Amino acid sequence: DAGVIQSPRHEVTEMGQEVTLRCKPISGHDYLFWYRQTMMRGLELLIYFNNNVPIDDSGMPEDRFSAKMPNASFSTLKIQPSEPRDSAVYFCASSAAIPVETQYFGPGTRLLVL
Amino acid sequence: GNSVTQMEGPVTLSEEAFLTINCTYTATGYPSLFWYVQYPGEGLQLLLKATKADDKGSNKGFEATYRKETTSFHLEKGSVQVSDSAVYFCALNKAAGNKLTFGGGTRVLVKP
Repeated sequence: DAGVIQSPRHEVTEMGQEVTLRCKPISGHDYLFWYRQTMMRGLELLIYFNNNVPIDDSGMPEDRFSAKMPNASFSTLKIQPSEPRDSAVYFCASSAAIPVETQYFGPGTRLLVL
Repeated sequence: GNSVTQMEGPVTLSEEAFLTINCTYTATGYPSLFWYVQYPGEGLQLLLKATKADDKGSNKGFEATYRKETTSFHLEKGSVQVSDSAVYFCALNKAAGNKLTFGGGTRVLVKP
């Protein structure tokens, strides 16, 4: 299995621009998670999906952030407009229904907003 | 609510030294407990887990025992290698759902 795939691996953009991060979960996994990692705040859960349906988006920082999962093999996290404080590493993870708690992480997208 | 507290790093060791990273948790019910490891430039990987009290998880020479009486899940390795340099995260599973609650991470640096 190829594991969780994320693209791009690195993104540099200017403040105000739209940023779209992409994730392909492991085939057959029912859960998909988006995390953000920064030095100051550590690892934060932004949102997670079960069977393509958003279950908990309480970690999404503000309306500038949105996430979609149009099908079982693809998800996006969009930031519009981006701000310098959004600079972080964004991870996507997926897990099967059983064992439900073992999450498999992608390599991350390192985002720098100038 | 659920929370995980782990010792702050960085922890700097020499090769072949003994490593302990403390982790304590607060949770309702009977959570499952995990250690994840993040190598430089990579995502997190599951290192080991324990799903009930007194269970011992082990992998790659690392061990951790689920201690319900002390609400702890300390990670240990008897002889570390340079390749063990990474950030280690303790986590728990919220019993009623699939969300993991992570600790702040502990950076370990092993010097030759």
